[in-house]
Amino acid sequence: ETGVTQTPRHLVMGMTNKKSLKCEQHLGHNAMYWYKQSAKKPLELMFVYSLEERVENNSVPSRFSPECPNSSHLFLHLHTLQPEDSALYLCASSQVVRQGDGYTFGSGTRLTVV
Amino acid sequence: GDSVTQMEGPVTLSEEAFLTINCTYTATGYPSLFWYVQYPGEGLQLLLKATKADDKGSNKGFEATYRKETTSFHLEKGSVQVSDSAVYFCALSDQGQAGTALIFGKGTTLSVSS
Repeated sequence: ETGVTQTPRHLVMGMTNKKSLKCEQHLGHNAMYWYKQSAKKPLELMFVYSLEERVENNSVPSRFSPECPNSSHLFLHLHTLQPEDSALYLCASSQVVRQGDGYTFGSGTRLTVV
Repeated sequence: GDSVTQMEGPVTLSEEAFLTINCTYTATGYPSLFWYVQYPGEGLQLLLKATKADDKGSNKGFEATYRKETTSFHLEKGSVQVSDSAVYFCALSDQGQAGTALIFGKGTTLSVSS
C-alpha cells in the first residue's frame, strides 16, 4: 500500500462505547496529524506528532486520546463521546523539515455518535 | 498569528467558465502556500503549491501565483469541468518550524453544471 490509509472508513458508536481510529502512512514521513472536519466549520487541528512526540494539542477534550507508537502509525482512541463529535476525522503526514512539500492526507473516517 | 482568508462560497459556474477563487494570507515568516481539493466523501488532496514569491504552481489546468506584495495566492482555471466540483482549501506553512501544522482557510465549495 502507498500513501496514508485510515480505518475504518465509517464508524457508528454509542455515547458509552470505546473505539479507536487507525492511521498508517507508507511514505517514510516523521510527522503525523489528526484533524476534525465538521459540517460548515473550518478544519480543526487536534493533535500533532513530530518524531513520535506530541508537540501540539489544541485544547481537545480528554475523551479524545491520541497514540503514536512509531512514525508510521497513529491512533485516536475515543470514549464517552457526544453527538457533536460526529464529524470526518482526517489523518495526515509530512516530513518535519520539508514543510514546502505539504501534507498527505488519508481519506478520513466518518464518525457518527448516536 | 498566521492566517488564511479565502472567499466564501459556494461558487456556481457553468462548464467551460473561467474560475477564480481568492486567497489572501497573513504570516510573519516566509511561508509555503498550497491549494488542496476535497472531492465528496474523500480526504484532502494536494492540488498545487508554491514555496517562494513569484512562483507559479500548476496542476490539472489550475494555476496560482505566489504574490508577496499583495499576500495573495488566488486559484484560477480557464475552463472548468463538471468533474472539478469539489471543496477547495487554501493553506500556508511556515518553513523551518518543526512540527508546525498547516493553516487552512475555511474552504470554498465549487459547483459546476453542464
